[in-house]
This record gives sequence, structure tokens and C-alpha cells, in this order.
Amino acid sequence: AQTVTQSQPEMSVQEAETVTLSCTYDTSENNYYLFWYKQPPSRQMILVIRQEAYKQQNATENRFSVNFQKAAKSFSLKISDSQLGDTAMYFCAFMKHSGANNLFFGTGTRLTVIP
Amino acid sequence: KAGVTQTPRYLIKTRGQQVTLSCSPISGHRSVSWYQQTPGQGLQFLFEYFSETQRNKGNFPGRFSGRQFSNSRSEMNVSTLELGDSALYLCASSSNLAGVDNEQFFGPGTRLTVL
Repeated sequence: AQTVTQSQPEMSVQEAETVTLSCTYDTSENNYYLFWYKQPPSRQMILVIRQEAYKQQNATENRFSVNFQKAAKSFSLKISDSQLGDTAMYFCAFMKHSGANNLFFGTGTRLTVIP
Repeated sequence: KAGVTQTPRYLIKTRGQQVTLSCSPISGHRSVSWYQQTPGQGLQFLFEYFSETQRNKGNFPGRFSGRQFSNSRSEMNVSTLELGDSALYLCASSSNLAGVDNEQFFGPGTRLTVL
């Protein structure tokens, strides 16, 4: 079974500063995907960034980047130059590479960007 | 391209009733997954349909069922509603073409309240 753990229920960051959200996971799979999803108060879940386990290079998307440590089963999200619109719940998620679209989610981190 | 749509957005039912929720995926997407989101249990996978076949199922009782039509639209049904079924039900669609990006795009959700 796959499990995803987010140990920070809530975090806050000053506007324009950098924040890192933590995520660890447990799996016996060797090939898989990892995701960070954002769920603003409007409730629409949006993909922030994804990482394929077989790729060693850390994924980046504009102000968002990840630190993927496969051996440690760690997948943290760094948000640079935080903006008020980044205020949301952030979910770390895992998916096997098997072709079935079954996301395993962590419990989420509520991020508040303070002006 | 239109996003994933879910109807209705809000629903109030009483215990013992049944309910049907609908999800229309992004045009061309053949995979539809359903998730239940509650404050206590977080985001949990219900089931996935691909080309009208249930491909994957989560750990939910048989009261939860679904189907997919030839146009990829999907419905989920919950019979004999219980108070604990109150949740936000999210559906996500994916193209799921072999070897291609399997990003899941989420709909806005249906908020079900059971009284």
C-alpha cells in the first residue's frame, strides 16, 4: 500500500518570501509519479507540479520547484517569491506508473501568504 | 477547451435516500476518477472508469457505485445515504494515452450534505 505524509498542517509566509512544504511517502514501487496539487478556497484542485520517479532532475515550474529525494522517499515543494494568490491547501499525491489513475493524497498543508 | 464539469454543485439529501452525481470530462479524455473529500478522512479514491469499464476501485462499501457512458461522461451513485457520506465529491479526467502525460484535471466538485 502507498501512504503519503504531510507533517505540516498549517504554514504561513510573508509575501515575496520563500516557503518549503514537506512531503514523505512510502511505497514498494520503483516507478511512479509524484504531484503537488493546490486547492484554493474556491475548491478547484489545480496541478502545481509533477515529478516522474525515474527522472533524477528536480521539476520546476516558474516559482515552484521540488526537491525529490528518491532514496529518502521525500518530495518537498518550494515556493519562491510567494504571492497572495498562493494562499491555498496544498496536497502532495502519489500515483503508480501502472496506468490506473489512482492518486493517493496526503492530508494537506494549509498555506497562508501574509501581505 | 472546456474543463471538467460536475453537476449538481450542491445537494442536500436525507438519510436513507440515494443520490446520483454527474461528471463530464474534458473533451477527448477517456478516464474519469472519483474522489471523496472530508475533513476527517481527507481525499480518498473511490473508483476510476476508462472506456466504460471500471478499471480501479478504492476501499468503499458497495453503496457507492458508478458507471461511464460511451461519451466518457460518468455518474456515481450512492444508495442508502448515511450522515458520514456528507462530503465534497471530486471527479478528475485524464487522457491516459499510453506513454503520454497522465495529468488529472479536476472538476469543481459536488458538495453533498446528508441530514
